[in-house]
Amino acid sequence: GEKVEQHESTLSVREGDSAVINCTYTDTASSYFPWYKQEAGKSLHFVIDIRSNVDRKQSQRLTVLLDKKAKRFSLHITATQPEDSAIYFCAAENYNQGKLIFGQGTKLSIKP
Amino acid sequence: EAAVTQSPRSKVAVTGGKVTLSCHQTNNHDYMYWYRQDTGHGLRLIHYSYVADSTEKGDIPDGYKASRPSQENFSLILELASLSQTAVYFCASSDEISNERLFFGHGTKLSVL
Repeated sequence: GEKVEQHESTLSVREGDSAVINCTYTDTASSYFPWYKQEAGKSLHFVIDIRSNVDRKQSQRLTVLLDKKAKRFSLHITATQPEDSAIYFCAAENYNQGKLIFGQGTKLSIKP
Repeated sequence: EAAVTQSPRSKVAVTGGKVTLSCHQTNNHDYMYWYRQDTGHGLRLIHYSYVADSTEKGDIPDGYKASRPSQENFSLILELASLSQTAVYFCASSDEISNERLFFGHGTKLSVL
């Protein structure tokens, strides 16, 4: 079955710098790739997603890049702020299977 | 904003006891899911459901049962709780209208002693 790997378990960047979180997946049939954010002590909420018919999607300070050949996708956060500190989970879905498979999570810390 | 409510918020159970975690959503979503969160493993899918009175096995179903008596309610049942089932459990819902986005509950912290 599908496996999703997040390569960085922790990431620390200075406030105002950019952060990049990388994920890889194994199922070439996966077509939907969302990202979720979990702030300390809270539940997860959706932040941004990308579908396999495009290779880039931007929403304000967040950009997702998708490389289908390499089976890799990444979340780029520019001009980081303290409120960006959280655990970020990537996920992948094969439409025919209809379920999301999550990565292990990356804890992003924004240093002042 | 979608609303998914889990109960209880936390629970301490004894090994071998029965535990039921409940989830209620008010969004008219067809799909509901139970995930387990462990440090280093992210979220893993236990059971899910596309329609009332039907459930499907996820990636780690052993030791868990699920029940979907209505569109709004989805329960996770541990018939014989074990130490290894100590974790945080998240319920989520979605439908095609929400573009597959999951709406999560606040989680249930389960400690099995």
